Amino acid sequence: DAGITQSPRHKVTETGTPVTLRCHQTENHRYMYWYRQDPGHGLRLIHYSYGVKDTDKGEVSDGYSVSRSKTEDFLLTLESATSSQTSVYFCAISGGSGNIQYFGAGTRLSVL
Amino acid sequence: RKEVEQDPGPFNVPEGATVAFNCTYSNSASQSFFWYRQDCRKEPKLLMSVYSSGNEDGRFTAQLNRASQYISLLIRDSKLSDSATYLCVVSSLTGGATNKLIFGTGTLLAVQP
Repeated sequence: DAGITQSPRHKVTETGTPVTLRCHQTENHRYMYWYRQDPGHGLRLIHYSYGVKDTDKGEVSDGYSVSRSKTEDFLLTLESATSSQTSVYFCAISGGSGNIQYFGAGTRLSVL
Repeated sequence: RKEVEQDPGPFNVPEGATVAFNCTYSNSASQSFFWYRQDCRKEPKLLMSVYSSGNEDGRFTAQLNRASQYISLLIRDSKLSDSATYLCVVSSLTGGATNKLIFGTGTLLAVQP
């Protein structure tokens, strides 16, 4: 299995609070991605990174920010969580764009 | 129209049956194609890549038809352990130089004893 660790695995928070999810990889892959998965929508890309300090938006980036200060870590921040951000969040890594992506175990986030 | 479309199922089949899933994609410039498998409450995992000439991995066969923008997955001799959601995945060069992967919403397979 690819060395990808997501933390926390589960989180319950209140509307309006900031939340940070962490993705850590030990594969030294260049590309890292954050997705959310909701019933009826499948996996949707939030943000991705193609190198340290190099990030770009995905299709559902509103309300989210990311940072990548080291190759191995990619952080996803919800500045002020809303109930619509209740979802399962997956981190993925790949060695090249368009290449096979390997996923972390996911974070289940509930915003009450 | 979604970029990647799949029949959501569920497909309920008996053990030993052969089952086929289909997927269509809208971007004719797509270059990479995959099938992923996702078990309930787990992360997606690569099942197999899909090549233009078609490819087989044990009981699994994938086909690609670029002219019709159509991908298929055939599972022979279904096992209980094949029960999962199967995701069709297509690369999409959406501006810039980065290929992104577009995931279908998945087809649910339930293999019955």
